[in-house]
Amino acid sequence: DAEITQSPRHKITETGRQVTLACHQTWNHNNMFWYRQDLGHGLRLIHYSYGVQDTNKGEVSDGYSVSRSNTEDLPLTLESAASSQTSVYFCASSEQGKSETQYFGPGTRLLVL
Amino acid sequence: GNSVTQMEGPVTLSEEAFLTINCTYTATGYPSLFWYVQYPGEGLQLLLKATKADDKGSNKGFEATYRKETTSFHLEKGSVQVSDSAVYFCALVSGGSNYKLTFGKGTLLTVNP
Repeated sequence: DAEITQSPRHKITETGRQVTLACHQTWNHNNMFWYRQDLGHGLRLIHYSYGVQDTNKGEVSDGYSVSRSNTEDLPLTLESAASSQTSVYFCASSEQGKSETQYFGPGTRLLVL
Repeated sequence: GNSVTQMEGPVTLSEEAFLTINCTYTATGYPSLFWYVQYPGEGLQLLLKATKADDKGSNKGFEATYRKETTSFHLEKGSVQVSDSAVYFCALVSGGSNYKLTFGKGTLLTVNP
């Protein structure tokens, strides 16, 4: 079955370190998204991509970057982790032209000490 | 810009009670509307959706009707079960948003036996 996976599921890191969160989908979807989920804020969009070599900033992109070298993967990099980036991160994908149904991964819980 | 406002939680109900979670929106153009559900420790799953005015989305006993005149998409279920305990998110995507979902902040529902 097609799916979307994230790794690691849990991560503890220190302030200032670079961290990369992986997202892999096997639906062959063109659209991929990264969100963070925080109490009181719901889900907020970090970055998104509509296809290979395409990346775009979301509403909370500062301190994060993504790259899209193939259809299946959209890794999220925290350039220099900060305590404010402690959160749960969700990756999602959707089919081009059928944007409504986004399929979500299980999430990565990140703690920055 | 687009925005979604849903009722503050948490909501606590007894099994077999009637559920309503209010959701109103502001959007450009003619948005599609969604309810996503997040069970404990999991990612988000699409619960139901409606793509035009007066459409009713339904799934697993949940219903929501797209009301353009009141810009609302309230979620209802006639008889909740313990297994419905989760966080519920109202969301929209509009033609001007290029496939990006805008989420409400979520409503935690707890159903007691």
